[in-house]
Amino acid sequence: ILNVEQSPQSLHVQEGDSTNFTCSFPSSNFYALHWYRWETAKSPEALFVMTLNGDEKKKGRISATLNTKEGYSYLYIKGSQPEDSATYLCASSTFNDYKLSFGAGTTVTVRA
Amino acid sequence: GAGVSQTPSNKVTEKGKYVELRCDPISGHTALYWYRQSLGQGPEFLIYFQGTGAADDSGLPNDRFFAVRPEGSVSTLKIQRTERGDSAVYLCASSSQAFGGGELFFGEGSRLTVL
Repeated sequence: ILNVEQSPQSLHVQEGDSTNFTCSFPSSNFYALHWYRWETAKSPEALFVMTLNGDEKKKGRISATLNTKEGYSYLYIKGSQPEDSATYLCASSTFNDYKLSFGAGTTVTVRA
Repeated sequence: GAGVSQTPSNKVTEKGKYVELRCDPISGHTALYWYRQSLGQGPEFLIYFQGTGAADDSGLPNDRFFAVRPEGSVSTLKIQRTERGDSAVYLCASSSQAFGGGELFFGEGSRLTVL
């Protein structure tokens, strides 16, 4: 099981503001980094699966970057909306341990 | 069904009782995972199936926990002699790619409360 850390644990954002938060993971034998969004009473939903150093992915107002050399990923939310309120989980895997190890998540609350 | 289905969505039981949690994955997905999320923590790996066999059960906390997937589709997580510390959300996920190669599709989870 990998040590995956996310910060901050929670944050509050005013509607319309942009925000970002961090996931750090072991860089040794890195294989993949996943981001999931988990809304209350729903199932976690995949946002991004990233494998290449320097990769940037975007889905609507949400984007993510990946640095496999130093072992971190940022998730950005541009122009936050109330529907962005959720817990965002990141998870990492390595070449010699395929199963995903999850961080504790960052809970985002967007205030109207 | 279109997505991963888990039943029951909520289960309240008494300490010492036996519990079964069911997962119906996306049709055709050969990989199936069970995770457990306790309050304030991230999902913790329990067991991974590739087809009918448990490819990795290293996350099962002790021998009170057991999981099966007899026909390579539906999986059941079985917990004997439940303890209060077993209270958590049990998440099931499936994937079309083996060995962590692709995104996981999660169910909504089964929330277990042991009184």
